[in-house]
Amino acid sequence: AQSVAQPEDQVNVAEGNPLTVKCTYSVSGNPYLFWYVQYPNRGLQFLLKYITGDNLVKGSYGFEAEFNKSQTSFHLKKPSALVSDSALYFCAVRDGASGGSYIPTFGRGTSLIVHP
Amino acid sequence: KAGVTQTPRYLIKTRGQQVTLSCSPISGHRSVSWYQQTPGQGLQFLFEYFSETQRNKGNFPGRFSGRQFSNSRSEMNVSTLELGDSALYLCASSLVGATGNEQFFGPGTRLTVL
Repeated sequence: AQSVAQPEDQVNVAEGNPLTVKCTYSVSGNPYLFWYVQYPNRGLQFLLKYITGDNLVKGSYGFEAEFNKSQTSFHLKKPSALVSDSALYFCAVRDGASGGSYIPTFGRGTSLIVHP
Repeated sequence: KAGVTQTPRYLIKTRGQQVTLSCSPISGHRSVSWYQQTPGQGLQFLFEYFSETQRNKGNFPGRFSGRQFSNSRSEMNVSTLELGDSALYLCASSLVGATGNEQFFGPGTRLTVL
């Protein structure tokens, strides 16, 4: 079984400050991890993914995420938040092991609000 | 490349009716997945089609069905609509199934059941 948790429904941050959106996961095999962003009345947009390799993954719009195997976490980060980053963020995981599910499991989403 | 397109964007139906939603994946993508998004349940997987075959299915009643055509375009059908079916229905395409490859989502179809 695979699961993902986003412990915060909402994250508030001031523009220019660093931001972190948290995600923890559980899979039987090797995790394939993803972050997506959803703006109002839009579909989900891919930000970045971790499959293997370097634990720090860089993605679109200045976002990055750090894979931590011991803590089973994949937190999304950005050094300096913009008001335009305000959106709903989803973490997703799938089991990369042979025979694992092809379908990713999504977290419930975290609403990021960046204040001017 | 054109992105994933979904039609219609908005739909209003009444209870008991049926509805068909359409999705055109990115050119070359052979996998299409469907999700239901609601404020209470979040993003829930409906089914995935790959090369015209349903490869995976989520935990939804049989009223929800889908199909994929030879050009990879997909449709999903919901029969005997219920109020609880009101949701944003998202389609996502992927190059090699919903595997390690990321999914590309369409803008969704907002279904309102009255």
